[in-house]
Parts: sequence; structure tokens; C-alpha cells
Amino acid sequence: TQLLEQSPQFLSIQEGENLTVYCNSSSVFSSLQWYRQEPGEGPVLLVTVVTGGEVKKLKRLTFQFGDARKDSSLHITAAQPGDTGLYLCAGENSGGSNYKLTFGKGTLLTVNP
Amino acid sequence: DAGVIQSPRHEVTEMGQEVTLRCKPISGHDYLFWYRQTMMRGLELLIYFNNNVPIDDSGMPEDRFSAKMPNASFSTLKIQPSEPRDSAVYFCASSLVAGVGEQFFGPGTRLTVL
Repeated sequence: TQLLEQSPQFLSIQEGENLTVYCNSSSVFSSLQWYRQEPGEGPVLLVTVVTGGEVKKLKRLTFQFGDARKDSSLHITAAQPGDTGLYLCAGENSGGSNYKLTFGKGTLLTVNP
Repeated sequence: DAGVIQSPRHEVTEMGQEVTLRCKPISGHDYLFWYRQTMMRGLELLIYFNNNVPIDDSGMPEDRFSAKMPNASFSTLKIQPSEPRDSAVYFCASSLVAGVGEQFFGPGTRLTVL
């Protein structure tokens, strides 16, 4: 079973601060996705990274895929209350025809005004 | 597009009762996924379908759980008999392609088994 460990599990910060959350595994993934989930709703895709070492930016969010495709990070600059939510990483199994995502347990971020 | 539709949004039932959760995927999406989310275990894949055919049901916890997809626009997840440990939020998701395709999640069904 491929596991994804996310850290920290909980994070509470003030508006304007920067933060980084991590997603780590001992397994290699062919791609990795980051989702954000708000209370009472399903997760919504933020980004997909495919290439080892890849960096993608989405406004104030920066996503990086590790060179070995085993880990990823999400950095948020100048966090805002609207960034509050559960951030989930999900890795796609490498190879084979059986496609599915393995999700981490998530980082619950609270940005206080 | 209305997105993925799930019903009911909330279900409260007593142990031993049958529970049926329903999902309508986004039109044209070939893949449908059923997930369960709890605080302890996070978001777990239960089963997924491709073109209405179950591909991987290794995440289905036990024989009390069953899922069907009779056509491209409807799927059900049934628990019979239900137990308190089945209490969780159940999500349905659909995607157009496999691989790096985005999964679109429904709003979930919050199930409470007393």
C-alpha cells in the first residue's frame, strides 16, 4: 500500500504570514495532485504536478514536486482568510492500467484575520 | 453543468438498517469513484468504475458494502446491514480521463449510524 504522510496535520496562522505544508511518501508516484476542501464540500483540484522537480505557481500558491517524485510541498505567501481549508495531496500509482489516487490525511489550515 | 450530484446529503439511520447512497456523475465522464472520509483514516477509495464496469473494489471494507453503476448517469453505494463504524462522509467523484485527469467531487453524503 502506498502511503502519503502530510505535515503538519493542523496549522493556525495570522493573515499575511507565509506557510509551507508537506506531503511525503516512500513510494514513487507518476503524478501528484493537490486539492483543497472546504467544510461541507468535496475536494477541489488546485494543481497537478507530473515531472520530478517541477514547480507550479497559482497566484500566491507555489507547488513543488520532488526530484524523485516521492514528495511534494505547497507554499502559500501572504495567507488570507479565504485560504482556510483542508489541503489534501493525492498520488497516482505508478504504472499499470489500474488507475487510482492515494490521498494523504490532509493539513487543516486556519488563517485568522 | 450541475457538477456531481449526490443524494441524500445527510442520512441518519439505526444499526442494522440498509442504506443506499446515490450519485449522478458529470455527463460524459467515463470514470466514477466512491470514497469514504473519516478523521481517523482520511479519504479512502472504496471502488471505481470505468464505462460502468467496476475496475477496482479492493477498498470496499467488507461484504456489507456493494456498489453498482447500471448506466453512465447513475451509481449507488449500498450498505446492508449498516453499523456505527460506517459513520462517515461518503463522496462520489467523476473524471473524464484516467492518469492526470482531474477528479470532480460531489458535496458528499454524511452518514450517521446510531
